[in-house]
Amino acid sequence: QSALTQPASVSASPGQSITISCTGTSSDIGSHNLVSWYQQHPGKAPKLLIYEAIKRPSAISSRFSASKSGNTASLTISGLQAEDEADYYCCSYGGVNTLYVFGAGTRVTVL
Amino acid sequence: VQLVESGGGLVQPGGSLRLSCAASGFAFSDYWMHWVRQAPGKGLVWVSRIKSDGTTTNYADSVKGRFTISRDNAKNTVYLQMNSLRTEDTAVYFCTNGDSTWWNWGQGTLVTVSS
Repeated sequence: QSALTQPASVSASPGQSITISCTGTSSDIGSHNLVSWYQQHPGKAPKLLIYEAIKRPSAISSRFSASKSGNTASLTISGLQAEDEADYYCCSYGGVNTLYVFGAGTRVTVL
Repeated sequence: VQLVESGGGLVQPGGSLRLSCAASGFAFSDYWMHWVRQAPGKGLVWVSRIKSDGTTTNYADSVKGRFTISRDNAKNTVYLQMNSLRTEDTAVYFCTNGDSTWWNWGQGTLVTVSS
């Protein structure tokens, strides 16, 4: 059982936008901005998409954006493309006892 | 930036393996290093971390007392010594760099624990 809750799957057509939620608690997501998002294509290594809740590395497309409110972080993919079909994981610093917690991942399907 | 893991393989329950992760392209000695694993068909799970100078190490409860992380900054390499392996340790093991943001990832090395 993962510490962070994500929907198992999300699907949409090319060009549409989707939002993936990631719900934690006041001990992890709710207590700081150390939330990150990773994209993973099948058989590949994870790739950093978002860090510190809302920041995007320079090499990442502006179609990826994120937000955080209370105990929930969200990742939005706009202008969905076939290459966005992948698994997406949220991760949060969980404090001195738990350290790092992941969501179970969300499978994004481009219809 | 490149992270290359090695050392995975098939091992019997109760056995040991030592994973290595060779780093290049960044100031290795300035970064925390982590191991994250992924069981077949499952999600990502953080395993262990080591501070840039090697003075601080932390472990997930599931591996505490069995796994040991270490690093050699002269060789730009981080290690994971895995002892008393269990079937539930079967996974692809990734190394990654950063503090609470994991900037770069290796391709992973598969560890299979089975009799």
